Amino acid sequence: DSGVTQTPKHLITATGQRVTLRCSPRSGDLSVYWYQQSLDQGLQFLIQYYNGEERAKGNILERFSAQQFPDLHSELNLSSLELGDSALYFCASSVRGGGTYGYTFGSGTRLTVV
Amino acid sequence: AQSVTQLGSHVSVSEGALVLLRCNYSSSVPPYLFWYVQYPNQGLQLLLKYTSAATLVKGINGFEAEFKKSETSFHLTKPSAHMSDAAEYFCAVTGAGGTSYGKLTFGQGTILTVHP
Repeated sequence: DSGVTQTPKHLITATGQRVTLRCSPRSGDLSVYWYQQSLDQGLQFLIQYYNGEERAKGNILERFSAQQFPDLHSELNLSSLELGDSALYFCASSVRGGGTYGYTFGSGTRLTVV
Repeated sequence: AQSVTQLGSHVSVSEGALVLLRCNYSSSVPPYLFWYVQYPNQGLQLLLKYTSAATLVKGINGFEAEFKKSETSFHLTKPSAHMSDAAEYFCAVTGAGGTSYGKLTFGQGTILTVHP
């Protein structure tokens, strides 16, 4: 157990639907990062939050949004889902910026859009 | 901007042979470099990291990597492969400062196969 908890582990949904992925960071970590892993794109950075505020954005689609709550857990919302959104979504956490302290990854949520 | 190139999407070795997985990076700021391993249907596990201290970094499971600034490389090695090392390995970089601070940029991954 890495200390980063992601729920659900698996999600199957239909095109056009909306889902929410949840991430609880490791105790004491203030930063949360979301990544998408797919066969064709590899591991892509989506977005970072630090202590409740958005810190950095990657190639995140406008249909996707995220937030970090006061208790530091984070949610990634995916809407108007398309077949191409099927992927493994990882959450990672770090104490602050991650470079010095490292990143801890959760086990991921596997999203299948049918 | 930062980027990582992993040379070879697939590497195959015999059990007991040397493992060498190649990683080259590009960074406009001093980099922090990482190697992660991913076993099938699992998350990413940190093998080792370079954070500007010793250039030779030792990690878990007998792996080590050497930071070579002149070659912009951070290759991962293990003297003797074990069947349990079969997995996908990712090299990643983040910057020590600037707008990229905090974000990990990954290479495309190298799948290691170990033959008996």
